[in-house]
Amino acid sequence: NAGVTQTPKFQVLKTGQSMTLQCAQDMNHNSMYWYRQDPGMGLRLIYYSASEGTTDKGEVPNGYNVSRLNKREFSLRLESAAPSQTSVYFCASSPQAGATNEKLFFGSGTQLSVL
Amino acid sequence: QKEVEQDPGPLSVPEGAIVSLNCTYSNSAFQYFMWYRQYSRKGPELLMYTYSSGNKEDGRFTAQVDKSSKYISLFIRDSQPSDSATYLCAMSGNSGGYQKVTFGIGTKLQVIP
Repeated sequence: NAGVTQTPKFQVLKTGQSMTLQCAQDMNHNSMYWYRQDPGMGLRLIYYSASEGTTDKGEVPNGYNVSRLNKREFSLRLESAAPSQTSVYFCASSPQAGATNEKLFFGSGTQLSVL
Repeated sequence: QKEVEQDPGPLSVPEGAIVSLNCTYSNSAFQYFMWYRQYSRKGPELLMYTYSSGNKEDGRFTAQVDKSSKYISLFIRDSQPSDSATYLCAMSGNSGGYQKVTFGIGTKLQVIP
Protein backbone atom coordinates (compact mmCIF):
# COMPACT_ATOMS: atom_id res chain seq x y z
CA ASN A 1 0.00 0.00 0.00
CA ALA A 2 1.44 3.34 -1.07
CA GLY A 3 -0.47 5.49 1.45
CA VAL A 4 0.58 9.13 1.02
CA THR A 5 3.05 9.81 -1.79
CA GLN A 6 4.99 13.07 -2.08
CA THR A 7 7.15 14.31 -4.92
CA PRO A 8 9.87 15.43 -5.18
CA LYS A 9 11.87 14.12 -2.19
CA PHE A 10 14.54 16.81 -2.48
CA GLN A 11 14.61 20.21 -4.17
CA VAL A 12 16.98 23.16 -4.27
CA LEU A 13 15.63 26.52 -5.41
CA LYS A 14 17.05 29.97 -5.87
CA THR A 15 15.32 32.88 -4.19
CA GLY A 16 12.38 34.01 -6.31
CA GLN A 17 11.89 30.74 -8.14
CA SER A 18 8.55 28.95 -8.03
CA MET A 19 7.70 25.30 -7.62
CA THR A 20 4.85 22.95 -6.81
CA LEU A 21 5.02 20.08 -4.33
CA GLN A 22 2.77 17.20 -5.25
CA CYS A 23 0.88 14.91 -2.89
CA ALA A 24 -1.43 11.98 -3.55
CA GLN A 25 -3.16 9.52 -1.22
CA ASP A 26 -4.75 6.20 -2.09
CA MET A 27 -6.67 5.61 1.16
CA ASN A 28 -9.88 7.35 0.05
CA HIS A 29 -9.42 9.95 2.80
CA ASN A 30 -11.49 13.11 2.80
CA SER A 31 -9.06 15.50 4.46
CA MET A 32 -5.55 16.46 3.40
CA TYR A 33 -2.93 18.73 4.93
CA TRP A 34 0.39 20.40 4.31
CA TYR A 35 2.84 20.84 7.20
CA ARG A 36 6.34 22.19 7.48
CA GLN A 37 8.83 20.90 10.03
CA ASP A 38 11.67 23.08 11.27
CA PRO A 39 14.22 22.40 14.04
CA GLY A 40 12.96 23.63 17.38
CA MET A 41 9.55 24.53 15.91
CA GLY A 42 7.85 21.20 15.42
CA LEU A 43 5.24 20.56 12.77
CA ARG A 44 3.24 23.59 11.73
CA LEU A 45 0.14 23.51 9.55
CA ILE A 46 0.35 25.52 6.34
CA TYR A 47 -2.96 24.73 4.64
CA TYR A 48 -5.56 22.04 4.85
CA SER A 49 -8.46 20.72 2.80
CA ALA A 50 -11.28 19.30 4.89
CA SER A 51 -12.92 17.80 1.82
CA GLU A 52 -12.69 17.88 -1.96
CA GLY A 53 -13.37 21.39 -3.22
CA THR A 54 -12.44 23.22 0.00
CA THR A 55 -9.18 24.65 1.29
CA ASP A 56 -8.37 26.72 4.38
CA LYS A 57 -5.40 28.46 5.89
CA GLY A 58 -3.50 26.91 8.73
CA GLU A 59 -1.00 28.42 11.11
CA VAL A 60 1.65 29.61 8.61
CA PRO A 61 0.03 30.15 5.17
CA ASN A 62 1.95 33.24 3.98
CA GLY A 63 3.94 32.63 0.79
CA TYR A 64 2.05 29.46 -0.14
CA ASN A 65 -0.95 28.47 -2.21
CA VAL A 66 -2.71 25.12 -2.47
CA SER A 67 -4.96 23.26 -4.87
CA ARG A 68 -7.17 20.29 -4.04
CA LEU A 69 -7.16 18.84 -7.52
CA ASN A 70 -9.46 15.93 -6.68
CA LYS A 71 -10.08 13.67 -3.71
CA ARG A 72 -6.67 12.02 -4.09
CA GLU A 73 -4.39 14.97 -4.81
CA PHE A 74 -3.41 18.11 -2.90
CA SER A 75 -0.60 20.32 -4.17
CA LEU A 76 1.38 23.09 -2.46
CA ARG A 77 2.82 25.95 -4.52
CA LEU A 78 5.56 28.40 -3.65
CA GLU A 79 5.13 31.34 -6.03
CA SER A 80 8.34 33.17 -5.14
CA ALA A 81 10.57 31.10 -2.88
CA ALA A 82 12.39 32.76 0.03
CA PRO A 83 15.21 31.40 2.22
CA SER A 84 12.74 31.37 5.16
CA GLN A 85 10.86 28.63 3.30
CA THR A 86 13.80 26.24 3.62
CA SER A 87 12.22 23.36 5.51
CA VAL A 88 10.97 19.80 5.33
CA TYR A 89 7.43 19.67 3.98
CA PHE A 90 5.01 16.90 4.85
CA CYS A 91 1.70 16.09 3.28
CA ALA A 92 -0.82 14.22 5.43
CA SER A 93 -4.32 12.84 5.10
CA SER A 94 -7.03 11.77 7.53
CA PRO A 95 -10.15 9.67 7.06
CA GLN A 96 -12.93 12.03 8.07
CA ALA A 97 -13.51 15.69 7.43
CA GLY A 98 -14.04 17.54 10.69
CA ALA A 99 -13.48 14.44 12.79
CA THR A 100 -12.94 14.95 16.48
CA ASN A 101 -9.90 12.75 16.42
CA GLU A 102 -7.68 13.61 13.51
CA LYS A 103 -5.53 10.52 13.00
CA LEU A 104 -3.03 11.75 10.48
CA PHE A 105 -1.21 9.65 7.91
CA PHE A 106 1.97 11.32 6.65
CA GLY A 107 4.02 11.10 3.51
CA SER A 108 7.80 10.76 3.65
CA GLY A 109 8.46 14.45 3.13
CA THR A 110 10.14 16.88 0.73
CA GLN A 111 13.38 18.48 1.83
CA LEU A 112 13.46 21.97 0.30
CA SER A 113 16.41 24.36 0.33
CA VAL A 114 16.06 27.93 -0.89
CA LEU A 115 19.38 29.65 -1.57
CA GLN B 1 4.69 30.18 25.98
CA LYS B 2 4.07 27.31 23.59
CA GLU B 3 0.78 25.42 23.88
CA VAL B 4 2.71 22.13 24.00
CA GLU B 5 6.11 21.76 25.64
CA GLN B 6 8.37 18.79 24.96
CA ASP B 7 12.01 18.27 25.85
CA PRO B 8 13.93 17.73 22.59
CA GLY B 9 16.57 15.52 24.22
CA PRO B 10 18.47 13.68 22.91
CA LEU B 11 17.75 10.83 25.28
CA SER B 12 20.16 7.93 25.19
CA VAL B 13 19.36 4.64 26.98
CA PRO B 14 20.75 1.08 26.99
CA GLU B 15 18.78 -1.68 25.30
CA GLY B 16 16.17 -3.15 27.64
CA ALA B 17 15.66 0.05 29.63
CA ILE B 18 12.28 1.60 30.38
CA VAL B 19 11.91 4.89 28.56
CA SER B 20 9.70 7.74 29.73
CA LEU B 21 8.80 10.54 27.32
CA ASN B 22 6.71 13.49 28.45
CA CYS B 23 4.80 16.56 27.29
CA THR B 24 3.00 19.31 29.10
CA TYR B 25 0.31 21.51 27.64
CA SER B 26 -1.55 24.69 28.52
CA ASN B 27 -4.76 24.53 26.43
CA SER B 28 -7.64 23.00 28.37
CA ALA B 29 -9.58 22.50 25.11
CA PHE B 30 -7.34 19.64 24.05
CA GLN B 31 -9.40 16.46 24.01
CA TYR B 32 -7.34 13.90 22.12
CA PHE B 33 -3.76 12.99 22.80
CA MET B 34 -1.45 11.19 20.44
CA TRP B 35 2.10 10.01 20.11
CA TYR B 36 3.78 9.84 16.73
CA ARG B 37 7.08 8.12 15.97
CA GLN B 38 9.33 9.58 13.30
CA TYR B 39 12.35 7.74 11.96
CA SER B 40 15.13 9.74 10.36
CA ARG B 41 14.18 11.12 6.94
CA LYS B 42 10.66 9.67 7.21
CA GLY B 43 7.23 11.06 7.96
CA PRO B 44 5.65 10.71 11.41
CA GLU B 45 3.50 7.62 12.01
CA LEU B 46 0.78 7.35 14.61
CA LEU B 47 1.86 5.20 17.53
CA MET B 48 -0.68 5.75 20.28
CA TYR B 49 -3.95 7.64 20.61
CA THR B 50 -5.94 8.35 23.78
CA TYR B 51 -8.96 10.37 24.73
CA SER B 52 -9.53 10.26 28.46
CA SER B 53 -7.28 10.54 31.46
CA GLY B 54 -5.65 7.29 32.47
CA ASN B 55 -3.48 4.67 30.82
CA LYS B 56 -3.66 2.91 27.47
CA GLU B 57 -1.40 -0.01 26.72
CA ASP B 58 -0.34 -1.47 23.38
CA GLY B 59 2.39 -4.08 23.57
CA ARG B 60 5.54 -2.49 24.97
CA PHE B 61 4.01 0.99 24.80
CA THR B 62 1.86 2.71 27.43
CA ALA B 63 0.35 6.15 26.98
CA GLN B 64 -0.68 8.05 30.08
CA VAL B 65 -2.79 11.19 30.25
CA ASP B 66 -3.34 13.37 33.31
CA LYS B 67 -5.74 16.13 32.29
CA SER B 68 -5.79 17.70 35.75
CA SER B 69 -2.03 18.31 35.54
CA LYS B 70 -2.03 18.85 31.74
CA TYR B 71 0.66 16.22 31.41
CA ILE B 72 1.02 13.25 29.08
CA SER B 73 3.60 10.49 28.98
CA LEU B 74 4.69 7.63 26.77
CA PHE B 75 6.45 4.68 28.37
CA ILE B 76 8.43 2.14 26.37
CA ARG B 77 9.26 -1.10 28.12
CA ASP B 78 12.16 -3.36 27.13
CA SER B 79 13.42 -0.73 24.71
CA GLN B 80 15.00 -1.98 21.48
CA PRO B 81 17.49 -0.36 19.07
CA SER B 82 14.62 -0.27 16.56
CA ASP B 83 12.84 2.17 18.91
CA SER B 84 15.52 4.76 18.12
CA ALA B 85 13.54 7.61 16.58
CA THR B 86 12.04 10.99 17.37
CA TYR B 87 8.79 10.83 19.34
CA LEU B 88 6.28 13.63 18.82
CA CYS B 89 3.41 14.26 21.17
CA ALA B 90 0.31 15.73 19.56
CA MET B 91 -2.98 17.04 20.88
CA SER B 92 -6.20 18.08 19.24
CA GLY B 93 -9.10 20.25 20.21
CA ASN B 94 -11.78 22.31 18.53
CA SER B 95 -10.52 25.63 17.18
CA GLY B 96 -13.09 27.64 15.21
CA GLY B 97 -14.91 24.53 14.01
CA TYR B 98 -11.73 22.73 13.00
CA GLN B 99 -10.03 20.03 15.02
CA LYS B 100 -6.65 21.66 15.29
CA VAL B 101 -3.74 19.31 15.94
CA THR B 102 -0.81 20.84 17.82
CA PHE B 103 2.50 19.01 17.88
CA GLY B 104 5.37 19.07 20.33
CA ILE B 105 8.85 19.57 18.88
CA GLY B 106 9.74 15.92 19.44
CA THR B 107 12.16 14.03 21.68
CA LYS B 108 15.00 12.22 19.96
CA LEU B 109 15.57 8.78 21.49
CA GLN B 110 18.59 6.56 20.95
CA VAL B 111 18.58 2.98 22.28
CA ILE B 112 22.12 1.65 22.48
CA PRO B 113 22.63 -2.11 21.91
